[in-house]
Amino acid sequence: AQKITQTQPGMFVQEKEAVTLDCTYDTSDQSYGLFWYKQPSSGEMIFLIYQGSYDEQNATEGRYSLNFQKARKSANLVISASQLGDSAMYFCAMRERWAYSGGGADGLTFGKGTHLIIQP
Amino acid sequence: EAQVTQNPRYLITVTGKKLTVTCSQNMNHEYMSWYRQDPGLGLRQIYYSMNVEVTDKGDVPEGYKVSRKEKRNFPLILESPSPNQTSLYFCASSSEGLAGSNEQFFGPGTRLTVL
Repeated sequence: AQKITQTQPGMFVQEKEAVTLDCTYDTSDQSYGLFWYKQPSSGEMIFLIYQGSYDEQNATEGRYSLNFQKARKSANLVISASQLGDSAMYFCAMRERWAYSGGGADGLTFGKGTHLIIQP
Repeated sequence: EAQVTQNPRYLITVTGKKLTVTCSQNMNHEYMSWYRQDPGLGLRQIYYSMNVEVTDKGDVPEGYKVSRKEKRNFPLILESPSPNQTSLYFCASSSEGLAGSNEQFFGPGTRLTVL
């Protein structure tokens, strides 16, 4: 089973509209972190936002917010008032704590990404 | 400026010719990692290192080697590259531990083509 699922391979959105990018995750760990990264056409990976599994408040960073629903194991990214420069690939990723106690590889597990295109 | 650097940024090589992709960070991070990105697959971890002289396999380590002799450097070595290693490679670093955000800082990427 995939650990991170992004069900939207591509999205077209009108400029200035809000965008929700879906992400569901699968873990049996109690302590984990969820990340969103943006990858523009130039290729670099840009960190957007982080949510810890024990954080009670949804994370926000400027126009980005993370809609964290722990019981549903979802961590959707919301971009308010989209801009043309938001056009990019977006990746959801998870880091699990169990990896630290010898349970396996330690690092980020990524979804396959969503290609977001903002139209004027 | 805090950053992760990778060299080269672009490389075209032939099957079997050993190559090294360098990675260096100036943030004094303990943790460093290599990922490869392939279309439709997202990023997958190749190797990681928790500290100097401590390295371990990620999800797709076959065909790769790494070393961590200094804290700032974490080179990726392909002893005998094959065409299925054609990919976009990212090096990343972060501070140790899972407390806090542990944002992984990514390098700019190295686009490798093996003919």
